[in-house]
Amino acid sequence: DVKVTQSSRYLVKRTGEKVFLECVQDMDHENMFWYRQDPGLGLRLIYFSYDVKMKEKGDIPEGYSVSREKKERFSLILESASTSQTSMYLCASSSPGVGDTQYFGPGTRLTVL
Amino acid sequence: SQQGEEDPQALSIQEGENATMNCSYKTSINNLQWYRQNSGRGLVHLILIRSNEREKHSGRLRVTLDTSKKSSSLLITASRAADTASYFCATGNNQGGKLIFGQGTELSVKP
Repeated sequence: DVKVTQSSRYLVKRTGEKVFLECVQDMDHENMFWYRQDPGLGLRLIYFSYDVKMKEKGDIPEGYSVSREKKERFSLILESASTSQTSMYLCASSSPGVGDTQYFGPGTRLTVL
Repeated sequence: SQQGEEDPQALSIQEGENATMNCSYKTSINNLQWYRQNSGRGLVHLILIRSNEREKHSGRLRVTLDTSKKSSSLLITASRAADTASYFCATGNNQGGKLIFGQGTELSVKP
Protein backbone atom coordinates (compact mmCIF):
# COMPACT_ATOMS: atom_id res chain seq x y z
CA ASP A 1 0.00 0.00 0.00
CA VAL A 2 1.16 3.49 -0.82
CA LYS A 3 1.74 5.53 2.24
CA VAL A 4 1.98 9.29 2.32
CA THR A 5 2.65 10.82 5.69
CA GLN A 6 2.58 14.43 6.82
CA SER A 7 4.58 15.70 9.75
CA SER A 8 1.68 17.10 11.78
CA ARG A 9 -2.09 16.67 11.86
CA TYR A 10 -2.66 19.96 13.64
CA LEU A 11 -0.39 22.98 13.85
CA VAL A 12 -0.85 26.38 15.46
CA LYS A 13 1.55 29.18 14.56
CA ARG A 14 1.76 32.93 15.03
CA THR A 15 1.70 35.56 12.30
CA GLY A 16 5.17 36.13 10.89
CA GLU A 17 6.57 32.75 11.87
CA LYS A 18 8.32 30.55 9.33
CA VAL A 19 6.41 27.29 8.98
CA PHE A 20 7.61 23.99 7.57
CA LEU A 21 5.19 21.28 6.48
CA GLU A 22 6.81 17.97 5.65
CA CYS A 23 5.50 15.22 3.41
CA VAL A 24 7.06 11.79 2.90
CA GLN A 25 5.97 9.03 0.52
CA ASP A 26 7.26 5.48 0.48
CA MET A 27 6.42 4.37 -3.07
CA ASP A 28 9.27 5.93 -5.04
CA HIS A 29 6.83 8.25 -6.81
CA GLU A 30 8.28 10.86 -9.12
CA ASN A 31 5.49 13.42 -8.70
CA MET A 32 4.57 15.20 -5.50
CA PHE A 33 2.01 17.91 -4.87
CA TRP A 34 0.93 20.40 -2.24
CA TYR A 35 -2.68 21.59 -2.09
CA ARG A 36 -4.64 23.73 0.25
CA GLN A 37 -8.30 23.07 0.89
CA ASP A 38 -10.75 25.72 2.03
CA PRO A 39 -14.55 25.52 2.40
CA GLY A 40 -16.27 26.45 -0.85
CA LEU A 41 -13.01 26.61 -2.79
CA GLY A 42 -12.14 22.94 -3.14
CA LEU A 43 -8.53 21.84 -3.56
CA ARG A 44 -6.14 24.39 -4.98
CA LEU A 45 -2.66 23.43 -6.16
CA ILE A 46 0.15 25.38 -4.53
CA TYR A 47 3.29 23.72 -5.93
CA PHE A 48 4.26 20.43 -7.49
CA SER A 49 7.46 18.60 -8.30
CA TYR A 50 8.32 16.11 -11.04
CA ASP A 51 11.67 15.07 -9.68
CA VAL A 52 14.29 15.80 -7.09
CA LYS A 53 15.19 19.50 -7.04
CA MET A 54 12.47 20.23 -9.63
CA LYS A 55 9.51 22.40 -8.73
CA GLU A 56 6.69 24.07 -10.58
CA LYS A 57 4.24 26.70 -9.43
CA GLY A 58 0.63 25.73 -9.16
CA ASP A 59 -2.37 28.02 -9.08
CA ILE A 60 -1.68 29.81 -5.79
CA PRO A 61 2.10 29.85 -5.07
CA GLU A 62 2.23 33.31 -3.51
CA GLY A 63 3.51 33.26 0.05
CA TYR A 64 4.81 29.68 -0.25
CA SER A 65 7.98 27.95 -1.33
CA VAL A 66 8.93 24.28 -1.57
CA SER A 67 11.95 22.05 -1.31
CA ARG A 68 12.59 18.61 -2.70
CA GLU A 69 16.09 17.44 -1.83
CA LYS A 70 15.21 13.75 -1.77
CA LYS A 71 12.76 11.86 -3.93
CA GLU A 72 10.59 10.74 -1.04
CA ARG A 73 10.30 14.11 0.72
CA PHE A 74 8.54 17.29 -0.36
CA SER A 75 8.44 20.24 2.00
CA LEU A 76 6.14 23.23 1.93
CA ILE A 77 7.46 26.41 3.50
CA LEU A 78 5.48 29.42 4.60
CA GLU A 79 8.15 32.11 4.74
CA SER A 80 6.13 34.46 6.95
CA ALA A 81 2.83 32.97 8.00
CA SER A 82 -0.30 35.08 7.75
CA THR A 83 -3.84 34.52 9.01
CA SER A 84 -4.98 34.07 5.39
CA GLN A 85 -2.88 30.91 5.27
CA THR A 86 -5.02 29.22 7.90
CA SER A 87 -6.21 26.16 6.02
CA MET A 88 -6.04 22.40 5.55
CA TYR A 89 -2.88 21.43 3.66
CA LEU A 90 -2.82 18.20 1.71
CA CYS A 91 0.18 16.48 0.21
CA ALA A 92 -0.10 13.91 -2.58
CA SER A 93 2.16 11.79 -4.73
CA SER A 94 1.78 9.95 -8.01
CA SER A 95 3.74 8.06 -10.59
CA PRO A 96 3.60 8.53 -14.37
CA GLY A 97 1.96 5.66 -16.18
CA VAL A 98 -0.58 4.94 -13.47
CA GLY A 99 -3.19 7.27 -14.87
CA ASP A 100 -2.07 10.17 -12.70
CA THR A 101 -3.80 8.62 -9.70
CA GLN A 102 -2.77 10.62 -6.67
CA TYR A 103 -2.24 9.24 -3.19
CA PHE A 104 -2.91 11.67 -0.39
CA GLY A 105 -1.58 12.15 3.09
CA PRO A 106 -3.94 12.69 6.04
CA GLY A 107 -3.63 16.47 5.89
CA THR A 108 -2.30 19.16 8.22
CA ARG A 109 -4.76 21.63 9.65
CA LEU A 110 -2.78 24.82 10.12
CA THR A 111 -4.07 27.70 12.18
CA VAL A 112 -2.20 31.01 12.07
CA LEU A 113 -3.04 33.36 14.93
CA SER B 1 -8.18 26.96 -12.19
CA GLN B 2 -11.58 25.32 -11.83
CA GLN B 3 -12.28 22.40 -14.11
CA GLY B 4 -14.62 19.90 -12.56
CA GLU B 5 -17.83 21.12 -11.02
CA GLU B 6 -19.88 18.70 -9.00
CA ASP B 7 -23.61 18.70 -8.70
CA PRO B 8 -25.31 18.67 -6.27
CA GLN B 9 -23.14 20.40 -3.68
CA ALA B 10 -24.86 18.41 -0.94
CA LEU B 11 -26.98 15.27 -0.97
CA SER B 12 -28.82 13.61 1.89
CA ILE B 13 -30.33 10.14 1.51
CA GLN B 14 -31.45 7.16 3.60
CA GLU B 15 -29.42 3.99 3.93
CA GLY B 16 -30.19 1.56 1.12
CA GLU B 17 -30.97 4.28 -1.42
CA ASN B 18 -28.78 5.03 -4.40
CA ALA B 19 -26.71 8.22 -4.56
CA THR B 20 -25.87 9.93 -7.84
CA MET B 21 -23.34 12.71 -8.16
CA ASN B 22 -22.48 14.56 -11.34
CA CYS B 23 -19.36 16.27 -12.56
CA SER B 24 -18.91 18.63 -15.49
CA TYR B 25 -15.63 19.85 -16.92
CA LYS B 26 -14.52 22.33 -19.53
CA THR B 27 -11.46 21.15 -21.45
CA SER B 28 -10.36 17.93 -23.12
CA ILE B 29 -9.22 15.21 -20.75
CA ASN B 30 -7.20 12.01 -20.74
CA ASN B 31 -9.02 10.56 -17.77
CA LEU B 32 -11.46 11.43 -15.02
CA GLN B 33 -11.16 10.20 -11.47
CA TRP B 34 -13.35 10.17 -8.40
CA TYR B 35 -12.03 10.56 -4.89
CA ARG B 36 -13.61 10.34 -1.48
CA GLN B 37 -12.75 12.36 1.60
CA ASN B 38 -13.91 11.59 5.10
CA SER B 39 -14.26 14.63 7.33
CA GLY B 40 -10.90 16.15 8.20
CA ARG B 41 -8.89 13.51 6.36
CA GLY B 42 -7.01 13.13 3.09
CA LEU B 43 -8.57 12.06 -0.19
CA VAL B 44 -8.77 8.43 -1.21
CA HIS B 45 -8.87 7.37 -4.86
CA LEU B 46 -12.02 5.45 -5.80
CA ILE B 47 -12.07 4.89 -9.53
CA LEU B 48 -10.56 6.12 -12.79
CA ILE B 49 -12.23 6.18 -16.18
CA ARG B 50 -10.26 6.91 -19.32
CA SER B 51 -11.51 9.22 -22.06
CA ASN B 52 -12.15 6.28 -24.42
CA GLU B 53 -14.33 4.48 -21.86
CA ARG B 54 -18.02 5.10 -21.30
CA GLU B 55 -18.75 3.16 -18.14
CA LYS B 56 -16.82 1.50 -15.37
CA HIS B 57 -17.81 -0.50 -12.28
CA SER B 58 -16.10 -1.17 -9.00
CA GLY B 59 -18.12 -2.93 -6.31
CA ARG B 60 -21.09 -0.66 -5.52
CA LEU B 61 -19.66 2.17 -7.63
CA ARG B 62 -20.62 2.88 -11.20
CA VAL B 63 -19.03 5.69 -13.16
CA THR B 64 -20.12 6.96 -16.54
CA LEU B 65 -18.33 9.38 -18.82
CA ASP B 66 -19.81 11.35 -21.70
CA THR B 67 -17.00 13.21 -23.42
CA SER B 68 -19.39 14.87 -25.89
CA LYS B 69 -21.18 16.52 -22.97
CA LYS B 70 -18.00 16.84 -20.90
CA SER B 71 -19.70 15.21 -17.95
CA SER B 72 -19.41 12.24 -15.65
CA SER B 73 -21.59 10.69 -13.00
CA LEU B 74 -20.81 8.58 -9.95
CA LEU B 75 -23.51 6.22 -8.72
CA ILE B 76 -23.24 4.55 -5.33
CA THR B 77 -25.78 1.77 -5.04
CA ALA B 78 -27.36 0.52 -1.80
CA SER B 79 -25.70 3.27 0.22
CA ARG B 80 -24.53 2.76 3.79
CA ALA B 81 -24.00 5.20 6.64
CA ALA B 82 -20.26 4.60 6.18
CA ASP B 83 -20.51 6.16 2.69
CA THR B 84 -21.04 9.54 4.33
CA ALA B 85 -18.19 11.68 3.00
CA SER B 86 -17.32 14.30 0.39
CA TYR B 87 -16.81 13.08 -3.16
CA PHE B 88 -14.60 14.88 -5.66
CA CYS B 89 -14.09 14.45 -9.35
CA ALA B 90 -10.69 15.24 -10.83
CA THR B 91 -9.60 15.49 -14.43
CA GLY B 92 -6.22 14.62 -15.87
CA ASN B 93 -4.96 15.61 -19.30
CA ASN B 94 -1.38 14.36 -19.34
CA GLN B 95 -0.02 17.59 -17.90
CA GLY B 96 2.72 15.93 -15.97
CA GLY B 97 0.44 14.24 -13.49
CA LYS B 98 -1.51 17.34 -12.54
CA LEU B 99 -5.16 16.88 -11.72
CA ILE B 100 -7.82 19.54 -11.48
CA PHE B 101 -10.32 18.93 -8.73
CA GLY B 102 -13.90 20.04 -8.46
CA GLN B 103 -15.38 21.47 -5.29
CA GLY B 104 -17.01 18.23 -4.25
CA THR B 105 -20.39 16.83 -3.30
CA GLU B 106 -21.07 16.31 0.39
CA LEU B 107 -23.00 13.07 0.82
CA SER B 108 -24.87 12.27 4.01
CA VAL B 109 -26.36 8.79 4.39
CA LYS B 110 -28.76 8.53 7.30
CA PRO B 111 -29.19 5.17 9.05
